[in-house]
Amino acid sequence: DAGVIQSPRHEVTEMGQEVTLRCKPISGHNSLFWYRQTMMRGLELLIYFNNNVPIDDSGMPEDRFSAKMPNASFSTLKIQPSEPRDSAVYFCASSSDALSYGYTFGSGTRLTVV
Amino acid sequence: QKEVEQNSGPLSVPEGAIASLNCTYSDRVSQSFFWYRQYSGKSPELIMSIYSNGDKEDGRFTAQLNKASQYVSLLIRDSQPSDSATYLCAVNNAGNMLTFGGGTRLMVKP
Repeated sequence: DAGVIQSPRHEVTEMGQEVTLRCKPISGHNSLFWYRQTMMRGLELLIYFNNNVPIDDSGMPEDRFSAKMPNASFSTLKIQPSEPRDSAVYFCASSSDALSYGYTFGSGTRLTVV
Repeated sequence: QKEVEQNSGPLSVPEGAIASLNCTYSDRVSQSFFWYRQYSGKSPELIMSIYSNGDKEDGRFTAQLNKASQYVSLLIRDSQPSDSATYLCAVNNAGNMLTFGGGTRLMVKP
């Protein structure tokens, strides 16, 4: 299996622009998680999907952030409009059974908003 | 709020020594516990899991769990410079979610 695939690896954008991050979970994993990591705040859970349905989006910072999972093999995280404070590494992770196996993380997208 | 606490470090140990990384958690009903290693600029990688009280060994790594004290640790024997990374403790509380600690940065000096 290719693991969790994220794209792009790096994104540099100007403040106010729309940014879309993409994730393909491991086949057969029914849970998908979006995290944001910064030096100051560590790993923050943004949103969690189970069987393509958003279960917990309490970590989404504000209305500028939205996430979708139209099918079992694809999810997007969109920021519109982007702000410099959104600069961070965004990780997608997937799991079939977190209790037993934990999560598998993708390689991440490093977002820089200038 | 369910919390997972780790000393941020850095923890500096000489090559060949034992590195001891510690983690405490607040939710008494936590059932499974994981250690992730994250190299600088990379994503977290699962290295150990433990579910029952006691020790679990895998090569140079030993995970220790004490549910009564709500404490989990990771020992790295014969530490190598390649072990230098941030180690994240994660705790499963309910369902399919993990709560992560802030991580401990380990530096192994040659």
